[in-house]
This record gives sequence, structure tokens and C-alpha cells, in this order.
Amino acid sequence: AQSVTQLGSHVSVSEGALVLLRCNYSSSVPPYLFWYVQYPNQGLQLLLKYTTGATLVKGINGFEAEFKKSETSFHLTKPSAHMSDAAEYFCAVSDRTDKLIFGTGTRLQVFP
Amino acid sequence: DVKVTQSSRYLVKRTGEKVFLECVQDMDHENMFWYRQDPGLGLRLIYFSYDVKMKEKGDIPEGYSVSREKKERFSLILESASTNQTSMYLCASSSTMREAFFGQGTRLTVV
Repeated sequence: AQSVTQLGSHVSVSEGALVLLRCNYSSSVPPYLFWYVQYPNQGLQLLLKYTTGATLVKGINGFEAEFKKSETSFHLTKPSAHMSDAAEYFCAVSDRTDKLIFGTGTRLQVFP
Repeated sequence: DVKVTQSSRYLVKRTGEKVFLECVQDMDHENMFWYRQDPGLGLRLIYFSYDVKMKEKGDIPEGYSVSREKKERFSLILESASTNQTSMYLCASSSTMREAFFGQGTRLTVV
């Protein structure tokens, strides 16, 4: 069965600092991997996805993630945090049946 | 733009009531999902439907059922609501092997 582990339920950074949100997955088949963001009182919005091809994936708002098969990881990064990045971030994995399984989420705080 | 619409943003129901949460998508997606979101637990899959009248249990189906009579509509049913079903419920839809699109969520309180 597929699963996702997000290390760190809360991450705090200063504005302008590097953002690193960690995600490890388990899947018996080559996975599809996703990062979603949720702003307060809103639904989830797709940041980026990996399906096949290039392992470094660029998303919206300056975020990117790298698929590392050997480490079963799909960590999310952004070189310079902005106050507007404060939100909850969810990593998700899908096998080829389209069932989508989420991690427990990481709340990002950005301090001025 | 893809639109996933959940019928209510907020609901308050009494213990023992039968509760229907409705979700409609307008992009002819094959897949539809119901998740429950609780602090510290992330999104947990309740049920998944990959076609009309087809459904598959997720990780926490107990106390819930679903109905998908038409492709665009996926209903979550709480047969007898209990206080431990107080939560945020999120509906999503996707096309095969593509990302899911989410509704705004329904915050259900069972008193």
C-alpha cells in the first residue's frame, strides 16, 4: 500500500530564508507525486506534480521539488520565503489506480 | 477552470441524524474522492469512486457510505451522525492519472 510521511508538522523560517519541507513516500509501483498548498479556510491548490520524466519539477510561486527514487523522497523547496507563503502544505502520492493518499501536512510560518 | 462545488460550507447536525454532503464537478472527471481533514492527521481518504456506481473504500470508511449515480455528482452519507464525525470534509475530482481538484470544504459539526 502506498503512504506518505511528512517530517515536521511545523516549520518556521524568516522572510528571505530557504524553505525546505520534507516528504518521503512508499509505493510498490513508480509513483505520481504531488504537493498541494492550503490557505486558511480554503480548499487545496496544486503547487506541482511529478509523473514521469525530469526529476526536478518546478511549480507555482517559485516552489520546486526533486524526485529522488533512491531516497524515496520528494522534498519541496523555495530559495527565498515570502510572508504570503505561510500556509499548510501537503504531499501526496498516487499509484496507477488514481487513488490519492496524503501526508499529515506541514504548517509553514514565515517571520519578518 | 475546473470547478468542484460542495453544497454547504458549514453544517450543524444533531447526533443520530442522517447527513448528506453533496459534491458536483463540472469537468467530466472519472475519479471523485471524499476526504476528512483533522488537525495533525492530514487528509484521510474515506471513499473513492472511479466511475459511475463504482466505489472503493478508503482508509476510514466506517460510519460513512457514498453514492455516485451520475458522473458529475458524488455524495457522502453519514447514516447516523456521531460527535466524532465533527470535521472538515473535502471533495475532490480528477481525470485519469492527473492531479485532483478540490472543493472549498464543508465544516460539519455534530452536536
